[in-house]
Amino acid sequence: QVQLVESGGGVVQPGRSLRLSCAASGFTFSNYGMHWVRQAPGKGLEWVAVISYEGSLKYYADSVKGRFTISRDNFKNMLYLQMNSLRGEDTALYYCTRENIPRAATGNDYWGQGTLVTVSS
Amino acid sequence: EIVLTQSPATLSLSPGERATLSCRASQSVSRDLAWYQQKPGQAPRLLIYDASTRATGIPARFSGSGSGTDFTLTISSLEPEDFAVYYCNQCGNWPSTFGPGTKVDMK
Repeated sequence: QVQLVESGGGVVQPGRSLRLSCAASGFTFSNYGMHWVRQAPGKGLEWVAVISYEGSLKYYADSVKGRFTISRDNFKNMLYLQMNSLRGEDTALYYCTRENIPRAATGNDYWGQGTLVTVSS
Repeated sequence: EIVLTQSPATLSLSPGERATLSCRASQSVSRDLAWYQQKPGQAPRLLIYDASTRATGIPARFSGSGSGTDFTLTISSLEPEDFAVYYCNQCGNWPSTFGPGTKVDMK
């Protein structure tokens, strides 16, 4: 069965960095685009970034562009989010999600349980 | 970026009633729109993609319609498990964006 397991969250001071990881299993990882979506406590969903199935295309939300970098390792079935220059407004539960159709951005059918990032001094 | 507006913010209904949720985009997204359901403490669940295609395992009481800038999610007859927050998401133009959500609660 499809599983997405995030890790790497924690408490970090403003201005510092953090790297999130997502371990994927149960499907051919290299066939699917992958996204990060976040949710601040008590708030709605915010799309963060996407990477194409082979890793050549990457797009970011304006709020994180230039600070966050999405990457993937198709040999290890891993998705990453490198987060630099963290701010208080980056505090959120970060979800790793899979596109529901191979090589097509139409929606995300599988989501991890999320990893919590708290930016605070 | 494309801004999505959802209305109403809250919909108070009883089981068995019909729910109609609206999502409006600031510019055309063609049919590149998805709907998600989220319950407290859970990850979102994909209901509809390509504006009107039900995702795998989604009951037929959920239907989506629309194209361009105006979209609708309809729940034909609310079941107790349908009380949740619903988000629309456009995925045809980067950056992708989500609407602020509509909470369907029990009257």
